[in-house]
Amino acid sequence: DVKVTQSSRYLVKRTGEKVFLECVQDMDHENMFWYRQDPGLGLRLIYFSYDVKMKEKGDIPEGYSVSREKKERFSLILESASTNQTSMYLCASSLWGGRSNEQFFGPGTRLTVL
Amino acid sequence: GQQVMQIPQYQHVQEGEDFTTYCNSSTTLSNIQWYKQRPGGHPVFLIQLVKSGEVKKQKRLTFQFGEAKKNSSLHITATQTTDVGTYFCEGQGGSNYKLTFGKGTLLTVNP
Repeated sequence: DVKVTQSSRYLVKRTGEKVFLECVQDMDHENMFWYRQDPGLGLRLIYFSYDVKMKEKGDIPEGYSVSREKKERFSLILESASTNQTSMYLCASSLWGGRSNEQFFGPGTRLTVL
Repeated sequence: GQQVMQIPQYQHVQEGEDFTTYCNSSTTLSNIQWYKQRPGGHPVFLIQLVKSGEVKKQKRLTFQFGEAKKNSSLHITATQTTDVGTYFCEGQGGSNYKLTFGKGTLLTVNP
């Protein structure tokens, strides 16, 4: 089974701190995604990557950056956390050119910024 | 830009009643995916629809893709308490094959 893991289930940070969220997948997927999920707003794409060292902005990239140095790992970085970045963050991966667009999601990281 | 609207936002039913959620896209889609997210869980892929007018069934779930490939629906027959969760559609379309999620429909089922 595909497994997508995220470094923390819960995280509490202070305003202005630099925050790293890590995501690892074990199925050699090319595509990886970072979403945030907020009540009433659904899943919003922050960034995605279709290859090592490649990244594309999603719908809400402001205040975030990403890093993909290895195929299996996709990191989301909050350079200076703010309270409006309190949210559930979901990572996902998918196969490039597969039979379907099926994305496999990690368990999520609930980030609270105080 | 591409937008995917999903309605209703919430639906509460009695166990045994039917349930339907609808997705409408502002642009023609290449394909559409459906996901289910249980309370406290993460989205899990249910199905992909690709062809115009396509209908697929999974037990009590029926998925449809419109003829114009701009809308889709998920219908659950005789809901059970295990159907509780949020159902999301995700459409892929446009010249850059952008993937866009709908905001989801939260289904609650009264036993």
